[in-house]
Amino acid sequence: DAGVIQSPRHEVTEMGQEVTLRCKPISGHDYLFWYRQTMMRGLELLIYFNNNVPIDDSGMPEDRFSAKMPNASFSTLKIQPSEPRDSAVYFCASSFQGGESPLHFGNGTRLTVT
Amino acid sequence: AQSVSQHNHHVILSEAASLELGCNYSYGGTVNLFWYVQYPGQHLQLLLKYFSGDPLVKGIKGFEAEFIKSKFSFNLRKPSVQWSDTAEYFCAVTVGYSSASKIIFGSGTRLSIRP
Repeated sequence: DAGVIQSPRHEVTEMGQEVTLRCKPISGHDYLFWYRQTMMRGLELLIYFNNNVPIDDSGMPEDRFSAKMPNASFSTLKIQPSEPRDSAVYFCASSFQGGESPLHFGNGTRLTVT
Repeated sequence: AQSVSQHNHHVILSEAASLELGCNYSYGGTVNLFWYVQYPGQHLQLLLKYFSGDPLVKGIKGFEAEFIKSKFSFNLRKPSVQWSDTAEYFCAVTVGYSSASKIIFGSGTRLSIRP
């Protein structure tokens, strides 16, 4: 299994631009999580899905952030418009049966907004 | 609200020293507990987990953790650290059941090992 695949690995964009981060979970996993990691705030849960349905998006910081999971093998996290304070590493993780199983993380997308 | 506290933000040890990293959570119900490790430049990986049974769990690379329910704690230990243990360590707790379950991470503890 290739594990959780995220793209791109690095993204540099200018303030105001739209940014789309992509994630392919491990096949068969029914939970998908989006996390943001910064030095100041640590690892924050943004949103998670169960069977492609968003369950809890209370961690999404603002309306500029949106996430979708159109099918079991793909999810996107979009920021529009992006701001410098969005600069962080964004991790996608998947698991089978949610909290009863450990998370498998992707390698993350390092986002820099200038 | 549920939370996970890791009181040590940065720990510096010499090789062969013993390690204990603290983790406390606030949730009165059933929990599943995890420790993850993030080596420099890499993603998080599972170190060990506790679901039920023996409260002393052993993980990879000589790490272990003890669940003390009365103290709401799940401290990570290693009797003798190595330089390669330099990493960031995250405690995580799952609260809730089934589709409502949610994994909450602590803020992490950065471990630096002096060779």
